[in-house]
Amino acid sequence: SQTIHQWPATLVQPVGSPLSLECTVEGTSNPNLYWYRQAAGRGLQLLFYSVGIGQISSEVPQNLSASRPQDRQFILSSKKLLLSDSGFYLCAWTRGASKVGTEAFFGQGTRLTVV
Amino acid sequence: SQQGEEDPQALSIQEGENATMNCSYKTSINNLQWYRQNSGRGLVHLILIRSNEREKHSGRLRVTLDTSKKSSSLLITASRAADTASYFCATDEGGGFKTIFGAGTRLFVKA
Repeated sequence: SQTIHQWPATLVQPVGSPLSLECTVEGTSNPNLYWYRQAAGRGLQLLFYSVGIGQISSEVPQNLSASRPQDRQFILSSKKLLLSDSGFYLCAWTRGASKVGTEAFFGQGTRLTVV
Repeated sequence: SQQGEEDPQALSIQEGENATMNCSYKTSINNLQWYRQNSGRGLVHLILIRSNEREKHSGRLRVTLDTSKKSSSLLITASRAADTASYFCATDEGGGFKTIFGAGTRLFVKA
């Protein structure tokens, strides 16, 4: 069976510090991978998605970047965090090799607070 | 960009009542999905309805899709306190790889 791991669960970082959130998927190959951010009481904002190793599409120009160094690993990074980067970050995957939208499987999320 | 927009933003009902949530979207789609999120957790997929389907059932869930009006509804029948959560619709925005979510409806079921 497929599983998705996202860590850490919570993170408090000072303004200007770097960020690295990691997400890994097990039990499937060539997944489509996604990073979303959710503000308190709001919907999900798509930040990045990837359909293959080294292929990253950015949806929102901002202080963040994403990388996919391995097939089932997706990393969200920042060189210098801003207060506005605070939020709930969710990693998700869908089955690859298909352009038709399919069910997304989510990690448990990372609550990031920038102080 | 927001593709799906849910209505109402919040809904409070008594246990045993039915809950109806609506979603509107802007572009053509191949399918529409509904997800549930318990507070502080990841989203869980509930049901997917394809653009050529008009209605779909899963347990106490009933989803309808009207592509002419670009809208969908989620009905939860005989609600339970455990149904308390946020519910989101999501679309594939023209059939691409992106899954775009709406702002969600927060449902509170009182025991």
